[in-house]
This record gives sequence, C-alpha cells and structure tokens, in this order.
Amino acid sequence: QAVVTQEPSLTVSPGGTLTLTCGSSTGAVTSSHYPYWFQQMPGQAPRTLIYDTNNKHSWTPARFSGSLLGGKAALTLSGAQPEDEADYYCFLSYPGSRFVFGPGTKVTVL
Amino acid sequence: DVQLVESGGGLVQPGGSLRLSCVDSEFIFSTENMNWVRQAPGKGLEWLSYINSDSSTMFYAESVKGRFTISRDNAKKSLYLQMNSLRDEDTAIYYCARGHRSSWFASWGQGTLVTVPS
Repeated sequence: QAVVTQEPSLTVSPGGTLTLTCGSSTGAVTSSHYPYWFQQMPGQAPRTLIYDTNNKHSWTPARFSGSLLGGKAALTLSGAQPEDEADYYCFLSYPGSRFVFGPGTKVTVL
Repeated sequence: DVQLVESGGGLVQPGGSLRLSCVDSEFIFSTENMNWVRQAPGKGLEWLSYINSDSSTMFYAESVKGRFTISRDNAKKSLYLQMNSLRDEDTAIYYCARGHRSSWFASWGQGTLVTVPS
C-alpha cells in the first residue's frame, strides 16, 4: 500500500508565498499520478482546488497553482490571505486502480 | 446552491448495515463519474469507492472491499453506498463527490455522519 506524505503543518505571513508538497513512498510523483489538491475549512466539506497536477476549477482563486517539484506534487499559494487558513489534502492515483489521499497539511496564516 | 445531498447516515451497531444515498440536483449527473470519500472524526480524508457514469466500472479501497457496494440510478440522479458488516472504525462523515470532465471531484456534498459504537 503506497503511502502519501505531506507536511503536517505550515505557517505563512499574510501576503506571503507558501509551497505545500505531496510525496509518494513508491518514488517520484509524476503527472501519471494525476495529483489533486483540496482545501477544507473547519466543519466544512472539502473543495477541489487543483486536478491533474495543475488544472484549476472555475472557483479556484488565481493565487493557487499546482506543479511538480523535485519529485513531488506541489501546491503554491502566492499572496496568502487570512481566508486561506485551512487543511489542504493531496490525492494520488496509482496503478491497479488504487487511490490515496495524503494525511493533510494544516496551513496557518499569521 | 447545494448540488449534492447525502442522507442515510445514523447510529448502527457493529455488524449492522446502512445504505447511504446522494441525490444530485444537476442535469449532468448521468454523464459523470462519482466517488465516495469519508473522514473519521478529527482525521484526514479517505477515498472509498468510484463508479463511472454507466456503472460499468467500480473501484474500492481495500479497507471496504467486500463489505461496501457502490451503485447509482441515473434516472433518479442518485448515488448509493451499501455498507455491510460495519465496524467501529467505519465511524466517519461520508461525502459523495461528482466528477466533471477530467476532474473526479468537481463537486462535493455536505456529508452524512455514520456512527458505529465500539
């Protein structure tokens, strides 16, 4: 069973830039893992920000972007806002129809 | 504008069964893939199951394979999750999610809580 890794917690200053990463125990994360990124506010359902590495939904704020970075999937937040304080989860697809969420990163804007 | 509404959650004894439903208000339901995802109290997200638009393909997480069954009724714009042999570790909020084009999780419901006491 593949294990997906994320930073447990990160802090960013208002207006600052933050990069969250998503790694895999099986090796480098590539576009073939079709990485997703989700945002979840306390007490709310998740919201999808990024799919297939770097594709945004119509509701995804422009300050969020997805990429591959150093063998991992990455979510970059440029110009952090107080409302970006949330939990962020990545999701990877593996051969054999296996699909795994990462453990999540708690982002604090302070 | 709530598009996906889950129901059917509740308190069930270990070994019992429950059937969750997810009703979609969007006309595109019949053409899109659907997923179930759960979140145990204070924990992260766990993917459970996928079904494609015409029910010809289903996938399951190992943790629920053989106990849970995903299905859908496109005429009723509804998704289901039949859960059998429930365990205390199945206690969670269960979310349905609808895909759109190449995104598997374009829309999410608000979730329904399933509680299985230990």
